Amino acid sequence: NAGVTQTPKFQVLKTGQSMTLQCAQDMNHNSMYWYRQDPGMGLRLIYYSASEGTTDKGEVPNGYNVSRLNKREFSLRLESAAPSQTSVYFCACAARDNSPLHFGNGTRLTVT
Amino acid sequence: DAKTTQPPSMDCAEGRAANLPCNHSTISGNEYVYWYRQIHSQGPQYIIHGLKNNETNEMASLIITEDRKSSTLILPHATLRDTAVYYCSLKTSYDKVIFGPGTSLSVIP
Repeated sequence: NAGVTQTPKFQVLKTGQSMTLQCAQDMNHNSMYWYRQDPGMGLRLIYYSASEGTTDKGEVPNGYNVSRLNKREFSLRLESAAPSQTSVYFCACAARDNSPLHFGNGTRLTVT
Repeated sequence: DAKTTQPPSMDCAEGRAANLPCNHSTISGNEYVYWYRQIHSQGPQYIIHGLKNNETNEMASLIITEDRKSSTLILPHATLRDTAVYYCSLKTSYDKVIFGPGTSLSVIP
């Protein structure tokens, strides 16, 4: 079992470019999450999806869009990247109720 | 949304117990408290969670105050490999999960 797989691992974008960060889980979990972590900072929730077909805003949703493609996949899109979006992005999943989160290894994004 | 606060850093002598506090004074009745740790820049790893009772597993113990406004993660015999950033988080009944700022724990030989 791979758990939570994020692609790509690294990405460099120029300001104004767009890209989609991919996340896939093979744990059959209902909920999926996207967080960003800036250097020396904690995790901030961007968007989450409590079940297939639903998405909700987190703490810092501006500048991002998400798609819950199916139960396994939850993508994060930057339509017009800005230097302020330079960060490490983590995807996570969890079963329902009081189950903990399982994280991927992150995507390191630099916007120049 | 309820928020958590944590001290930014702590030191602990190797072999001693590490007690990491978290304040969540605005927690709702059905929100669980979770603890994770992050080593270097890897994805955070789950340690333990609880609602209102104290919990213990092979890694740690979690003490939640009776009013649920704060909790303490206890690593009973800290080793050098426990040096990491420890996050306290809350999970709502809508599955929203918010993390605190984290405590950087340094275990000193």
